[in-house]
Amino acid sequence: DIQMTQSPSSLSASVGDRVTITCRASQSISKYLNWYQQKPGKAPELLIYAASNLQSGVPSRFSGSGSGTDFTLTISSLQPEDFATYYCQQCYTSYDFGGGTKVEIK
Amino acid sequence: QITLKESGPTLVKPTQTLTLTCTFSGFSLTTSGVGVGWIRQTPGKALEWLALIYWDDDERYSPSLKSRLTITKDTSRNQVVLTMTNMDPVDTGTFYCAHTSITMVRGAPNNWFDPWGQGTLVTVSS
Repeated sequence: DIQMTQSPSSLSASVGDRVTITCRASQSISKYLNWYQQKPGKAPELLIYAASNLQSGVPSRFSGSGSGTDFTLTISSLQPEDFATYYCQQCYTSYDFGGGTKVEIK
Repeated sequence: QITLKESGPTLVKPTQTLTLTCTFSGFSLTTSGVGVGWIRQTPGKALEWLALIYWDDDERYSPSLKSRLTITKDTSRNQVVLTMTNMDPVDTGTFYCAHTSITMVRGAPNNWFDPWGQGTLVTVSS
């Protein structure tokens, strides 16, 4: 199995802040990396696919970058509706998820 | 518009077999590249991919749970069924099904789960 490690596991931020979440794979996965957002009591929703492609309908303040083993999800200006948990997922060999990053209000 | 909905028991006893059904609309599992996957989320924990079936009957399973899982499809009824044997209280959680489709990105086949069903909570307890 490929291990997906997210950091931090949680963070506190204010509206308007720039937020960066990191995802590291235990081996190279090229750009086979997706990002999801999950709000309490709801199913996850796709934000970014193939490391850097914004899913249709997702605000442009979200962006993804990286390749190989290191990836980043950035929210350029945090909005109230962005407080949620974010997961990365590799689809190189299987479909393993990272442990999640909870973004909370500061 | 693609929608998926999970159904099945809310309570199962330890050692029993869980059977969950995903009923979908807005796409066909006879279309090349299309698949349906199952993912679970245990209380307070992260997401865990379980299984995936493609249009061509290709079945994929989580290596750690492969011995306990079976995924099947019924294209005429637009359903995908997941069975999980020998249920244990640690298996308690929310089970989601989700649509996937193999898509070429920068010349390479990619896929992701989108959209997801609302999820169904399964409790394992005697």
